[in-house]
Amino acid sequence: DGGITQSPKYLFRKEGQNVTLSCEQNLNHDAMYWYRQDPGQGLRLIYYSQIVNDFQKGDIAEGYSVSREKKESFPLTVTSAQKNPTAFYLCASSRDRGRPEQYFGPGTRLTVT
Amino acid sequence: AQKITQTQPGMFVQEKEAVTLDCTYDTSDQSYGLFWYKQPSSGEMIFLIYQGSYDEQNATEGRYSLNFQKARKSANLVISASQLGDSAMYFCAMREAGSGYALNFGKGTSLLVTP
Repeated sequence: DGGITQSPKYLFRKEGQNVTLSCEQNLNHDAMYWYRQDPGQGLRLIYYSQIVNDFQKGDIAEGYSVSREKKESFPLTVTSAQKNPTAFYLCASSRDRGRPEQYFGPGTRLTVT
Repeated sequence: AQKITQTQPGMFVQEKEAVTLDCTYDTSDQSYGLFWYKQPSSGEMIFLIYQGSYDEQNATEGRYSLNFQKARKSANLVISASQLGDSAMYFCAMREAGSGYALNFGKGTSLLVTP
């Protein structure tokens, strides 16, 4: 089955530690995205990538980093510089052409204490 | 400034009835796209429907239709014949030509379908 996988579903970390969230897709999509969702809020864009080895900052990129070494993979690192890292993180992908909708993974709920 | 506004934090509808979820948007682009997503309690975002700014007809996907009023900058979602499984958060989103492929999301509307 084609889709987007994110692991793990729940992640707990101590303050001051970096943590990397995984996102893999087998839809052959060119573009991939990371969003953050806080309780009672919509999604906010962290980073996106339209092609391998290239990515752009979104609205709230501070304290996060990404890489895009393979078309299928777009991992997100939440660094210790991110002041409020506890949130729900969603990864998405979309085609470069044709239907424009983004398809989302199941999300990772990160709790930092 | 907020680009997507959803003014209804919560809505109730009885099973089998129709419901309209409001969405207004703000853009100066001529080319843009409007999306609706459903988020059940599991958290995954499920794509429902898309409307392009140049599409003359309102989009429809099964029980979902998008009431697109371009001059009023509104893109309301209509769900016909509501089902209990429709209970979820619903998000309106917009993609502008000038911002690559990224989506701007509203804050969402919580819909509860009652028997």
